[in-house]
Amino acid sequence: DAGVIQSPRHEVTEMGQEVTLRCKPISGHNSLFWYRQTMMRGLELLIYFNNNVPIDDSGMPEDRFSAKMPNASFSTLKIQPSEPRDSAVYFCASSLKGGQGSWGYTFGSGTRLTVV
Amino acid sequence: AQSVTQLDSQVPVFEEAPVELRCNYSSSVSVYLFWYVQYPNQGLQLLLKYLSGSTLVKGINGFEAEFNKSQTSFHLRKPSVHISDTAEYFCAVSDLFFVGGSQGNLIFGKGTKLSVKP
Repeated sequence: DAGVIQSPRHEVTEMGQEVTLRCKPISGHNSLFWYRQTMMRGLELLIYFNNNVPIDDSGMPEDRFSAKMPNASFSTLKIQPSEPRDSAVYFCASSLKGGQGSWGYTFGSGTRLTVV
Repeated sequence: AQSVTQLDSQVPVFEEAPVELRCNYSSSVSVYLFWYVQYPNQGLQLLLKYLSGSTLVKGINGFEAEFNKSQTSFHLRKPSVHISDTAEYFCAVSDLFFVGGSQGNLIFGKGTKLSVKP
């Protein structure tokens, strides 16, 4: 298995532009998570999906952020319009949740977003 | 609600010295416990996990951790560190039972940066 695949690895964009981050989870995993990591705030959970359905988006900082999971093998995180304070590393993780709880997450390599 | 506390934000050690990274958790139910490692410019990788059974868990790269239920701790140890162990280490806890729509989600600590010096 190729693991969790995120694209792009790096994104530099101008303030006000739309940014779309992409994630392909591990085949067979039924949960997907989007995290943001910054020096100041550490690792923050933005949103997670169970069986393609958004379960908790309370970590999404503002309405400028939106996430979708149209099918089990693809998810996007969109920021529109982007602002310099959105600069961070964004991680996607997937997991298989069964009757006995979580067995841990597999993380992607992240997308380093810089908004100038 | 669960929480995870990593008591040290930074731990500097010399190469070949032993190291212990501390982690305490709080939870009202039984838990699974995890340690993840993040090398510079990479994602988080699973180092080891405790699900049940022996309280001493061995992971990759010579790391081990001991689950202590009475002290609600899951400290990570290595008897002799290498320069290549320089990374950030995250402790995480997951509840064992289904609770509403949040079955088994991981709660991460704020991380401990291990810096190994020659």
